Amino acid sequence: GAVVSQHPSRVICKSGTSVKIECRSLDFQATTMFWYRQFPKKSLMLMATSNEGSKATYEQGVEKDKFLINHASLTLSTLTVTSAHPEDSSFYICSARDIWTGSADTQYFGPGTRLTVL
Amino acid sequence: GEDVEQSLFLSVREGDSSVINCTYTDSSSTYLYWYKQEPGAGLQLLTYIFSNMDMKQDQRLTVLLNKKDKHLSLRIADTQTGDSAIYFCAENKNQGGKLIFGQGTELSVKP
Repeated sequence: GAVVSQHPSRVICKSGTSVKIECRSLDFQATTMFWYRQFPKKSLMLMATSNEGSKATYEQGVEKDKFLINHASLTLSTLTVTSAHPEDSSFYICSARDIWTGSADTQYFGPGTRLTVL
Repeated sequence: GEDVEQSLFLSVREGDSSVINCTYTDSSSTYLYWYKQEPGAGLQLLTYIFSNMDMKQDQRLTVLLNKKDKHLSLRIADTQTGDSAIYFCAENKNQGGKLIFGQGTELSVKP
């Protein structure tokens, strides 16, 4: 149980285009999902908290107009990188918060999406 | 400084025990977690401990929590080459589930 998927796993795009990344919780409902960015050999940087049915909460320094987040259902959140530039190239990881199963408030992570902007 | 701190590297021989340490700053955190990340992959939840516990054991994994010193450790018994990965500790700051991660400890297991 507690599986989170991400799609696509890898994407290469041209500068100026937009890219959408999907995050799905496969066997549990997640009212909250989180989007992280990870640079090589670095820890995870929380970008935003995505709540089902409401606007996402962005961390300081993260441009909400550039990183659009939609949490349309209890099992799906999407991150759209708009007008991507080479500096947006990174490993993006989502997680889904599960407060219903098990005995702890836990986050389960997707496998990540490697974005390369040419 | 960082909310959660870890040493960056640990190297052990196969069959030995590994101990990865972590310090955190928020004494109100209710849960503390250990995640494992293999190259190019997402994070896998290994184990967690509730803040009112001192120890939790799960097969080869033992988590020790010293709440007074805000110190968390993960011991891996009989370390195998497949345990080579980056290990992150994280605290739950009771802010809607938001986790604060350490920098990650890269564990290298030599045969």
